Amino acid sequence: DIQMTQSPSTLSASVGDRVTITCRASQSVSVWLAWYQQKPGRAPKLLIYDASTLQSGVPSRFSGSGSGTDFTLTISSLQPEDSANYYCQKYNKYPGAFGQGTRVEVK
Amino acid sequence: QITLKESGPVVVKPTETLTLTCAVSGFSLINGRVGVSWIRQPPGKALEWLAHIFSNDEKSYTTSLRSRLTISKDTSFRQVFLTLTNVDPLDTATYFCALPSRRLVGAYDFWGQGALVTVSS
Repeated sequence: DIQMTQSPSTLSASVGDRVTITCRASQSVSVWLAWYQQKPGRAPKLLIYDASTLQSGVPSRFSGSGSGTDFTLTISSLQPEDSANYYCQKYNKYPGAFGQGTRVEVK
Repeated sequence: QITLKESGPVVVKPTETLTLTCAVSGFSLINGRVGVSWIRQPPGKALEWLAHIFSNDEKSYTTSLRSRLTISKDTSFRQVFLTLTNVDPLDTATYFCALPSRRLVGAYDFWGQGALVTVSS
């Protein structure tokens, strides 16, 4: 099965900072990668799909890039409400797989 | 409006069988182009993909739990079930069902609220 590895595990940044999270797949998943934001006690929320397509209603400060095995999620100007856990997920085929998550703290 | 809602026992004893139900409304699952997945999350830990079922009854399971998991659906595909046998305290988690609406295998744009299941004697 394909494994997904995220880095860093945690990061702390200030309001207005540019933040980047990376996700690496153990095999190519083409562009079939999504990013989710999850806040405590809530279900994950889809941010990005097909590696770089912004889900409707998601602020434009979120962007995604990459293909094959290496992907990034970027928050161009971090806001207080962006404090959350972020997960990547591959869906080139089932079984699916998620990364281990990145906790983002806003100072 | 598509909604998913999980239901099931709050507490299960070790070695017992856990059965969860996902009720889907606002979307037809019979058109052959979508399905429903189960995903779980132990307290304070990461999301773990468990299983998926398509409208044609094709199924996929995570390798690590394949021998203990069964996913199924009712004939109308309004309910999807997940059975996990021989549960252990390590199976304590919030169990989510989720649906990719754009394509047969896709990103999950719809999620249930989750159901917390505790395995304890």
